[in-house]
Amino acid sequence: RKEVEQDPGPFNVPEGATVAFNCTYSNSASQSFFWYRQDCRKEPKLLMSVYSSGNEDGRFTAQLNRASQYISLLIRDSKLSDSATYLCVVKGSKFYFGSGTKLNVKP
Amino acid sequence: GAGVSQSPSNKVTEKGKDVELRCDPISGHTALYWYRQSLGQGLEFLIYFQGNSAPDKSGLPSDRFSAERTGGSVSTLTIQRTQQEDSAVYLCASSLIAGTSGSYNEQFFGPGTRLTVL
Repeated sequence: RKEVEQDPGPFNVPEGATVAFNCTYSNSASQSFFWYRQDCRKEPKLLMSVYSSGNEDGRFTAQLNRASQYISLLIRDSKLSDSATYLCVVKGSKFYFGSGTKLNVKP
Repeated sequence: GAGVSQSPSNKVTEKGKDVELRCDPISGHTALYWYRQSLGQGLEFLIYFQGNSAPDKSGLPSDRFSAERTGGSVSTLTIQRTQQEDSAVYLCASSLIAGTSGSYNEQFFGPGTRLTVL
C-alpha cells in the first residue's frame, strides 16, 4: 500500500467552479501535511501547509482529518491559472509525496 | 535570495556510463533531499541528508546510486552504469530544518536535471 494516495484525475472544471481533492495517508504517526502545486515540466512548489484546525489562504482551504487519515484541498472560484497537478505531501520519518491530482480549468 | 540550483539541466548519456548530478541548496538549509520523477508519475524519494547525521538512503533503488553532501552544502548524486530505466527528472530540494514545525519543513525544489539514458 502506498504511503499517500490521491485520485490522479484529471478534474476538468469550468472557470469559477469549486473543486475539492482528497488524499489519504497510511501512517497514523505522520506529523506534518502539505499541499504542493506542480506545473507541467516544472518543479513542485509549496501551496500551503495543512494544520489540524484547518486553514484557509484566499480561495484555498485545507482540512486535516487525523481520525480518518485524510487531507483535503478545496479551491473556490477556480481560475485558468489554477490548472496544475496538486501533490499531497505527508511527513513522518521522511516526506512522502502522492502521485498528484491533475486539475484542468477550462474557460 | 538564490534558490536551489541544479546542474546540468539536461543530461543525455549512453547506457553503461556513469553520471553525476549536482545540487546547490539554499544557503543555511540543513536538510537536503533527492527525488526522481518519471514522466507523468509522482515523486520517488531517493535520499535525505540532515545536518551531520547519517543520511537516510532507504529510497535508493540500487547500489548503482549513491550520493554525498560535502561540507553540509553541495550534494552530488552519482549513478553508475546507467540503465534506460534511470531516465527521469532528478529533483533536489532543501529545507531549513527537518523538524516538526510546519514552516521549517517547507521544501524548496530546484529545477531538476532531466536525465536521458539512450
